[in-house]
Amino acid sequence: GQQLNQSPQSMFIQEGEDVSMNCTSSSIFNTWLWYKQDPGEGPVLLIALYKAGELTSNGRLTAQFGITRKDSFLNISASIPSDVGIYFCAGQLSGGSNYKLTFGKGTLLTVNP
Amino acid sequence: NAGVMQNPRHLVRRRGQEARLRCSPMKGHSHVYWYRQLPEEGLKFMVYLQKENIIDESGMPKERFSAEFPKEGPSILRIQQVVRGDSAAYFCASSPDISGNTIYFGEGSWLTVV
Repeated sequence: GQQLNQSPQSMFIQEGEDVSMNCTSSSIFNTWLWYKQDPGEGPVLLIALYKAGELTSNGRLTAQFGITRKDSFLNISASIPSDVGIYFCAGQLSGGSNYKLTFGKGTLLTVNP
Repeated sequence: NAGVMQNPRHLVRRRGQEARLRCSPMKGHSHVYWYRQLPEEGLKFMVYLQKENIIDESGMPKERFSAEFPKEGPSILRIQQVVRGDSAAYFCASSPDISGNTIYFGEGSWLTVV
C-alpha cells in the first residue's frame, strides 16, 4: 500500500522561530492534507491542497503541494507555545478509493517559551 | 453544530472481553470512517460505511473486528476477544461526501487492554 515518509520525527524550537516539515510518498496523490493533533484529541484539519504546485496559507501556516504530486511541506512562521502538538500529513488518491486518507507518522513539535 | 461524537473516550478491557466503540457523525453526514492509531504512529484506515452498508472494510483485521452503521443510531466498532495489541486510539470521522477537506474527525476512543 501507499506509504508516506514524514520528517522530521520531532522538533524542539524556541518561541518565535520558523518551522518546516515535509512528507514524501512513493505514490502520486491528488490531495494533500495537513492535520494537527493535540494530546488526547482527534486530528484537526489545518490546510488542504488540491493542485500540483499549489501554495496555500492559513494564518502563520503555509503548505505546498509538490510539482511531482509525491510530496508536500508545511511551514509555521513565528511559532508560539500553542503550536505544540503532532502534525500529520495525509494524502488522498483519486478514483475508486478516494475516500481513504493515508497518513504519515507525524512530526512532534515542542516550542520552548 | 455538534462535531463527531465518540464514546467512550477511554475504555479499559481485560484480555478476552469485548469492546464496543460508538460514533455519532456530524449532522447531515452520511459517510462514516474508522481509523486506528497505534502509539507513535499515524492513523490507519480501517473501514468506510454509509447508512446500513459497509463500503470498504479492507483495513479491518479479518477476525474479531466488525463495524456497522445502522439506519438509526450511531456507528459501532466492535472488537471481540480483545488482545493487548488492540490497545490503540480509535478515531471515527464523518463527511457529507468523499472529499478530503470535508472529513471531520472525532476526539477518539482510547482502548487499553490489560
